[in-house]
Amino acid sequence: QVQLQESGPGLVKPPETLSLTCTVSGYSISSGFYWGWIRQPPGKGLEWIGNLYHNGNIYYNPSLKSRVIMSVDTSKNQFSLKLISVTAADTAVYYCATMTDSTRCDYWGQGTLVTVSS
Amino acid sequence: QSALTQPRSVSGSPGQSVTISCTGTSSNVGGYNYVSWYQQYPGKVPKLMIYHVTERPSGVPDRFSGSKSGNTASLTVSGLQTEDEADYYCCSYAGTYSLVFGGGTKLTVL
Repeated sequence: QVQLQESGPGLVKPPETLSLTCTVSGYSISSGFYWGWIRQPPGKGLEWIGNLYHNGNIYYNPSLKSRVIMSVDTSKNQFSLKLISVTAADTAVYYCATMTDSTRCDYWGQGTLVTVSS
Repeated sequence: QSALTQPRSVSGSPGQSVTISCTGTSSNVGGYNYVSWYQQYPGKVPKLMIYHVTERPSGVPDRFSGSKSGNTASLTVSGLQTEDEADYYCCSYAGTYSLVFGGGTKLTVL
């Protein structure tokens, strides 16, 4: 079964860049599937950030597109998220997920809380 | 890309059925048969319960069912059990490999 684990700093100062990595085990990223990022501000709902495919095709939420960069490193079986110029509104639990066919999130990482504060 | 609309809360007694609605537009819910539903307990990771409007992943009880009519999708939980008390989120494909979530519904088992 696919397992995912997010890693990265838990505290980021505004207006710096938030950087997270998702390490995948139990499945090779280069074999297929889509790989996504979703976030959830404390006490609020889920927000899709973006997806990427192993071949490098990347799709972003239009509302975040100007600040998001996603990438994949198949040699490490990892994919990454960068969110630039963060503000307190970017404080959230960030999840990475496997997306079998880009229409749903099948398996989720445990999530990592990132707090944006000076 | 506006969030899908869900009721903030629904409730029911054990054994009853409840339905959670999820309203979007013809650009998302109404335009594709790609609605999914997630269950989330407080402080826990969301779990996929329904995908492609009506399909259940392996291990999800058949008490959970999904449907769609026009721009509104629904999740029905039959034979309510106390462990069904959680937050539920709908999600729809919105074209060009993008997704949009609903605001979430808190299900309370009375």
